[in-house]
Amino acid sequence: NAGVMQNPRHLVRRRGQEARLRCSPMKGHSHVYWYRQLPEEGLKFMVYLQKENIIDESGMPKERFSAEFPKEGPSILRIQQVVRGDSAAYFCASSPPAGRETQYFGPGTRLLVL
Amino acid sequence: GENVEQHPSTLSVQEGDSAVIKCTYSDSASNYFPWYKQELGKGSQLIIDIRSNVGEKKDQRIAVTLNKTAKHFSLHITETQPEDSAVYFCAAPHSGSARQLTFGSGTQLTVLP
Repeated sequence: NAGVMQNPRHLVRRRGQEARLRCSPMKGHSHVYWYRQLPEEGLKFMVYLQKENIIDESGMPKERFSAEFPKEGPSILRIQQVVRGDSAAYFCASSPPAGRETQYFGPGTRLLVL
Repeated sequence: GENVEQHPSTLSVQEGDSAVIKCTYSDSASNYFPWYKQELGKGSQLIIDIRSNVGEKKDQRIAVTLNKTAKHFSLHITETQPEDSAVYFCAAPHSGSARQLTFGSGTQLTVLP
């Protein structure tokens, strides 16, 4: 059973470009979470999704950031018009269906905005 | 929402000694407390978790204790080994739901050979 997969592992963008981060949850997991980690800080919750639904996006910046988890395919975290402050590691986690809340993390995508 | 504080931020121990990392939380309704280990350049790996109906849980060299009255929980690593060197994060449920986690700021543990 493959773990949570994220790609790309490293992403370099210039200011104003778009960044797309992908996350494939573990097999059988229907819940996906995105976290952002700045250097030497803990992970900050951004958004929690189930298939085709955003459950909680209270940690997501109101502008330029969006997330989706379509019926087919990976979850996507999209950052439009990136700025240098978006440079961080973005981690995705997944968990099984209702009743078991343990989250399993992917290796992360390190975004660098030049 | 939940507020989680973690101490110390850095910890160095000699190989074979014990290491203890402490976290406090603010939401008395929180009932699930996981600990994650993050190695350089990798994602976080769940190493142990505890639910509020027990006060202690142990898995080989790793144990977690929970004091609900004082709202703090601790990670204990015994007989430390160099491969235990990593950043450790505690977490507690965000807004009362175990599915969204609030993380502590992390502890860089270094085990000196």
